[in-house]
Amino acid sequence: QSVLTQPPSVSAAPGQKVTISCSGSSSNIGNNYVSWYQQLPGTAPKLLIFDNNKRPSGIPDRFSGSKSGTSATLGITGLQTGDEADYYCGTWDSSLSAGVFGGGTKLTVL
Amino acid sequence: EVQLVQSGAEVKKPGESLKISCKGSGYSFTNYWIGWVRQMPGKGLEWMGIIYPDDSDTRYSPSFQGQVTISGDKSISTAYLQRSSLKASDTAMYYCARLGSSGRDLDYWGQGTLVTVSS
Repeated sequence: QSVLTQPPSVSAAPGQKVTISCSGSSSNIGNNYVSWYQQLPGTAPKLLIFDNNKRPSGIPDRFSGSKSGTSATLGITGLQTGDEADYYCGTWDSSLSAGVFGGGTKLTVL
Repeated sequence: EVQLVQSGAEVKKPGESLKISCKGSGYSFTNYWIGWVRQMPGKGLEWMGIIYPDDSDTRYSPSFQGQVTISGDKSISTAYLQRSSLKASDTAMYYCARLGSSGRDLDYWGQGTLVTVSS
């Protein structure tokens, strides 16, 4: 059981937009920055979004992040088949004094 | 170019010990925390713990406290993850990753080390 809650799967057609939610509590998302990671099949995770809504260099602006209260959202526009991956949210949990992840969301581009 | 290169896949028997490594290059290894993340087969990411290579300050997730040992050797820019008395349930991919300058995200990841524990 992950500390952060994500939907197990989402799907959308190529070119469409999708959002992935990440729900937590005041000890984690509510008082800390959120990051998002993309894990393509058979590869290591890659940082997609940091500090709630910032993109590392090289990450296209099709990817966006937002946070409100104890929830965060990853948005992906202009979906491509190459976006099919598992997406994880992550943050620090002040009660656990450790990092925590969501359970991951599998994105299918139909 | 920042790189984290992990040691190769391991096949172990139950009860054996494990030590895997993560070598950093392309940046000042001593100035960034290194974290270890477990991913069991078909499952999500789990934060295990972190180490600050400069002084070996180590913090463990409560789920892994007492179960693993994280260490480092700054002279060779390498962090380690150790586990003794392996069980079949330790079968997983283990990743090391660098905490970014803010300490709030994992900005570079190693390629992963697959550990298989089987009799």
